[in-house]
Amino acid sequence: AQTVTQSQPEMSVQEAETVTLSCTYDTSESDYYLFWYKQPPSRQMILVIRQEAYKQQNATENRFSVNFQKAAKSFSLKISDSQLGDAAMYFCAYRSAYDYKLSFGAGTTVTVRA
Amino acid sequence: GAVVSQHPSRVICKSGTSVKIECRSLDFQATTMFWYRQFPKQSLMLMATSNEGSKATYEQGVEKDKFLINHASLTLSTLTVTSAHPEDSSFYICSAKGGETQYFGPGTRLLVL
Repeated sequence: AQTVTQSQPEMSVQEAETVTLSCTYDTSESDYYLFWYKQPPSRQMILVIRQEAYKQQNATENRFSVNFQKAAKSFSLKISDSQLGDAAMYFCAYRSAYDYKLSFGAGTTVTVRA
Repeated sequence: GAVVSQHPSRVICKSGTSVKIECRSLDFQATTMFWYRQFPKQSLMLMATSNEGSKATYEQGVEKDKFLINHASLTLSTLTVTSAHPEDSSFYICSAKGGETQYFGPGTRLLVL
């Protein structure tokens, strides 16, 4: 199974500031997908952003953007203009192009300070 | 779009009884659904892959006779926890495959007394 590593258990950010969450993964495959999911206190998993490995361009969704470094097997998430509603646990996930199972990282809890 | 529901949202049962959790894709068809277990402040652990019209595929260490999965239609998968014990208390989450993405249900909190 692929290994997904999130080395930051907790991150804190001031409202309106920017925070970057790190994620690295281990795979021998060249074709795969990467995801960031958000789990707020309600515990509903919400898709934040998705990146296809074959695309060189970094994915962006409003205030959320990724820095995908395929050679380094790194997939960081940047949250810009942080809002109180961004407070949640964030999970990085990997999926092979040939299998629909997701491998999740351990998660990073983001706290937003007013 | 891509909404997944779970029922019930929380359930309390006595040790030794069975509990059924339903997972429905509301606005799309899902040939494949997944069942996860999550302990507090931890990541999601995949239990099994549910395929419509065929037997579920269980992850290593998950007892198939204890966690019965049925995927009888393209919009419904059920997880039955049989002869529940207190150690089965957990948060169970389902997801449904929609295109290249998994969409998650809101989860079911199970407490076994």
